[in-house]
Amino acid sequence: EDKVVQSPLSLVVHEGDTVTLNCSYEVTNFRSLLWYKQEKKAPTFLFMLTSSGIEKKSGRLSSILDKKELFSILNITATQTGDSAIYLCAVYGGATNKLIFGTGTLLAVQP
Amino acid sequence: DGGITQSPKYLFRKEGQNVTLSCEQNLNHDAMYWYRQDPGQGLRLIYYSQIVNDFQKGDIAEGYSVSREKKESFPLTVTSAQKNPTAFYLCASSQGLKGGYTFGSGTRLTVV
Repeated sequence: EDKVVQSPLSLVVHEGDTVTLNCSYEVTNFRSLLWYKQEKKAPTFLFMLTSSGIEKKSGRLSSILDKKELFSILNITATQTGDSAIYLCAVYGGATNKLIFGTGTLLAVQP
Repeated sequence: DGGITQSPKYLFRKEGQNVTLSCEQNLNHDAMYWYRQDPGQGLRLIYYSQIVNDFQKGDIAEGYSVSREKKESFPLTVTSAQKNPTAFYLCASSQGLKGGYTFGSGTRLTVV
């Protein structure tokens, strides 16, 4: 069965800390891995990763994919209270080529 | 601006009533999806449609029904057969693999 597992499930940090969110997957017909940020309602797109070892970066956020170990991480440096959200990892693939989501990591950044 | 509109944002219904959630997109996307989100369980796929007049069951389709008569619209009906319908429902659309999915703002359904 295809699955995506995220860890930790929740995390509390202080402003200025650096955090690493993990995503592992077992998905047939892997095509890409995506990260989303969900603050209150609609998840918003962060990154799409298709190749191993190539870091994608956007401001204080970065992500990398390891297709050999079936793993991705999302790093957030110098965290701010506005980074508080649920971070969703999803893998595009499976028997019917659709997104398979992990449970998400709830990040709370305290002032 | 292109996007996905879900309505209503909040919906209250009595147990045993059917209810229909609206999802409209003007992105010209072929594929549309319905997800359910419960605390601690991430997004679970209810139904999806990759083309007009065709749709497939997702992982938790029991107690739900959909239609796809127009490319822009993919309404979801939560029937009285759904045992635990209180949840946050998200609609999404996509056009192939470009940029992943675009999500609507969701409908929070509460059944009392």
